[in-house]
Amino acid sequence: SQQGEEDPQALSIQEGENATMNCSYKTSINNLQWYRQNSGRGLVHLILIRSNEREKHSGRLRVTLDTSKKSSSLLITASRAADTASYFCATDASYGGSQGNLIFGKGTKLSVKP
Amino acid sequence: EPEVTQTPSHQVTQMGQEVILRCVPISNHLYFYWYRQILGQKVEFLVSFYNNEISEKSEIFDDQFSVERPDGSNFTLKIRSTKLEDSAMYFCASSESRGGNTIYFGEGSWLTVV
Repeated sequence: SQQGEEDPQALSIQEGENATMNCSYKTSINNLQWYRQNSGRGLVHLILIRSNEREKHSGRLRVTLDTSKKSSSLLITASRAADTASYFCATDASYGGSQGNLIFGKGTKLSVKP
Repeated sequence: EPEVTQTPSHQVTQMGQEVILRCVPISNHLYFYWYRQILGQKVEFLVSFYNNEISEKSEIFDDQFSVERPDGSNFTLKIRSTKLEDSAMYFCASSESRGGNTIYFGEGSWLTVV
């Protein structure tokens, strides 16, 4: 089965720096979604990128997708202490046209120090 | 912004008891999901629900689990005869449709089985 795996597992940076997180997966996908989770809280949707898209932006977030390498990256520019959270990529199951069976990675724990 | 709401936020139950976790999906959404996250582990898909029936379920979603849409707004997950290993955060989610739409998650319900 396909699997999203984030890299690095943990990232610690200073406020104002950029943070890059990577995600790899194993099989074909319809789309890939990035989520943020503050400790013990819910999953907040950040960006959805479709398999025919290569790059998407939303505010300080930039997501790229390389389907040939089966990888995606999430870049957070000019990070803030409030960006401290775990970040997950999630790919859909993509078999039989189903959607909603998202496969999550283990996440990258980002710590932004003021 | 519309959101998925879940109750209770935290429930402690005795092993062997039945629990019902409740969710109110976003009002114009048609697809509903339950996921769970055992502490320190990945978020895992349990079940998807559309048009008053289960459309997909994972191996985790065995006879111990059931879902229901008892009225026009609520979506519930019932866990019969809870086990210690059912302790987890349970997330409800919803989306407008299939085919690559964003899936929105609630804040989760922490279930502790003692």
